[in-house]
Amino acid sequence: GENVEQHPSTLSVQEGDSAVIKCTYSDSASNYFPWYKQELGKRPQLIIDIRSNVGEKKDQRIAVTLNKTAKHFSLHITETQPEDSAVYFCAADNMLTFGGGTRLMVKP
Amino acid sequence: DTEVTQTPKHLVMGMTNKKSLKCEQHMGHRAMYWYKQKAKKPPELMFVYSYEKLSINESVPSRFSPECPNSSLLNLHLHALQPEDSALYLCASSQDQPAPTDTQYFGPGTRLTVL
Repeated sequence: GENVEQHPSTLSVQEGDSAVIKCTYSDSASNYFPWYKQELGKRPQLIIDIRSNVGEKKDQRIAVTLNKTAKHFSLHITETQPEDSAVYFCAADNMLTFGGGTRLMVKP
Repeated sequence: DTEVTQTPKHLVMGMTNKKSLKCEQHMGHRAMYWYKQKAKKPPELMFVYSYEKLSINESVPSRFSPECPNSSLLNLHLHALQPEDSALYLCASSQDQPAPTDTQYFGPGTRLTVL
């Protein structure tokens, strides 16, 4: 089955800096890579996703890049704000094999 | 309506109790899911229903019994649980039968504590 690894497990940045979270996956047949943000005590919320027919997708301060050859994809958050502080999960495919999560802390 | 709702928000039960978790969506989605999430861990898939039929059971113990009475509702019946079953139980739905590129939308979860 699919295996997704996510790094780093914790990330602390200063407000206004950029944050990058990386994931690798094992199943070359995977075609869909969503990113979820989960605030403490809340549900996972989809923030951006990418399908294998594109290499990059951007939505305001958030972007995702995908390298199918290397089987890795990354989340980029620019101009971070304190409200970006949360746990971020990457996942592969609809059955949502999740990565282990990254706790992002944005210091004001 | 673009939400998945879950009740109750919190549930405390003893090991001999029988209780049920409920999930509802009115987005016309035909695939529904149960996940279990322990603290500081990612959600783990438990069950998948496609067109009201159980299509995936990820080797979940029989003390968890899912039910899909109709296309909008998903229940999880609990019986003889163990303290290690304490977790956040998340429901999700997606548009069609589980397809690799269908987005899943999560409910707020039920925080379960087993004493």
